[in-house]
Amino acid sequence: SQTIHQWPATLVQPVGSPLSLECTVEGTSNPNLYWYRQAAGRGLQLLFYSVGIGQISSEVPQNLSASRPQDRQFILSSKKLLLSDSGFYLCAWRPGLAGIETQYFGPGTRLLVL
Amino acid sequence: AQSVTQLGSHVSVSEGALVLLRCNYSSSVPPYLFWYVQYPNQGLQLLLKYTTGATLVKGINGFEAEFKKSETSFHLTKPSAHMSDAAEYFCAVSDKGAGGTSYGKLTFGQGTILTVHP
Repeated sequence: SQTIHQWPATLVQPVGSPLSLECTVEGTSNPNLYWYRQAAGRGLQLLFYSVGIGQISSEVPQNLSASRPQDRQFILSSKKLLLSDSGFYLCAWRPGLAGIETQYFGPGTRLLVL
Repeated sequence: AQSVTQLGSHVSVSEGALVLLRCNYSSSVPPYLFWYVQYPNQGLQLLLKYTTGATLVKGINGFEAEFKKSETSFHLTKPSAHMSDAAEYFCAVSDKGAGGTSYGKLTFGQGTILTVHP
């Protein structure tokens, strides 16, 4: 069966520090991968998605970037964190086959920028 | 552009009462629709989805939803609430490109927090 992992689970970082959040999926090949952010009072927002290695699409302009160095690995990064980057970051995956629409979510990383 | 509106950020019901969480969507093409549930400090779990076919869809934990194209709605219901249903619920719509394909990008509503009283 497929599983999705995110780490760390919780992170407290000072403003201006770098960020690296990791997401990995097991038990599938060539998945579509997604990063969402859940901020207080702002619901869930899609940040990035990827349909293959090295293929990243950004949905909103922001202080963050994403990379997909391996088929089942998706990384969210920042060079300098802002207070507004605080939130709950969720990684999700979907089978890369046409007609399979359901996304499956990881446990999330809670980021607090102080 | 797609959008989702969930009416009521908080809904409170008594245990055993009907649960009704409202969701309306806006989409230029017939959408794929989803309901997810989120328990505190956890990821999202799929409750049910509508893609094609029967407009009344049944999901896990006794929940069901009906796709009504004329009303652009996809309301979530459960006949009898249980204490374990207390959580936040999200309605979402997925993009669908030309030919019915999509990148699976989800647009979420703002969420509805369901409280169940004994």
